[in-house]
Amino acid sequence: AQSVTQPDIHITVSEGASLELRCNYSYGATPYLFWYVQSPGQGLQLLLKYFSGDTLVQGIKGFEAEFKRSQSSFNLRKPSVHWSDAAEYFCAVGGAGGTSYGKLTFGQGTILTVHP
Amino acid sequence: NAGVTQTPKFRILKIGQSMTLQCTQDMNHNYMYWYRQDPGMGLKLIYYSVGAGITDKGEVPNGYNVSRSTTEDFPLRLELAAPSQTSVYFCASSAGHPSNQPQHFGDGTRLSIL
Repeated sequence: AQSVTQPDIHITVSEGASLELRCNYSYGATPYLFWYVQSPGQGLQLLLKYFSGDTLVQGIKGFEAEFKRSQSSFNLRKPSVHWSDAAEYFCAVGGAGGTSYGKLTFGQGTILTVHP
Repeated sequence: NAGVTQTPKFRILKIGQSMTLQCTQDMNHNYMYWYRQDPGMGLKLIYYSVGAGITDKGEVPNGYNVSRSTTEDFPLRLELAAPSQTSVYFCASSAGHPSNQPQHFGDGTRLSIL
């Protein structure tokens, strides 16, 4: 069965500092990987996705993520955090076949707090 | 551009009551989903649909029912509300398979069962 682990429940950074949010996945074949962001009281918004090809993926709002197959990881990064980035971030994995068809599995989420 | 619209935004139910959470999308998406979100647990898939007339169970379907009579609407039914169903419910849709099409989420329904 597919699964996603986000080891950090809560991360605090200062505005302007760099950010890395960790995501580890388990999936039996080539995964499709996503990062979503959720602002308080809102639904989830897609930041970026990886299907194949270049392992460094660029997303919206200056975010990027790197797929590392050997480490089963898909960490999210941003070189300089803005106060408006404070939100909860979810990593998700999906697949194209078998019992995972049509389904995404989400991690537990990482809450990001940004200090001025 | 409305996207995915969920109603109501908030609801309090008594144990044993029933209710329907409404979800409608105006993007002509074939795929629709219902998730529940509990603190520290991420999102769990309840039911999904790949088109009108077709629904299937997700990870946590017990206590819920769905129907998909039109492309636009995907209501979620709670027949006998239980405290364990207190959660935030999100409806989502995608143009195609979620592996290559992003899911668009509604703003959620906060449901409390007392």
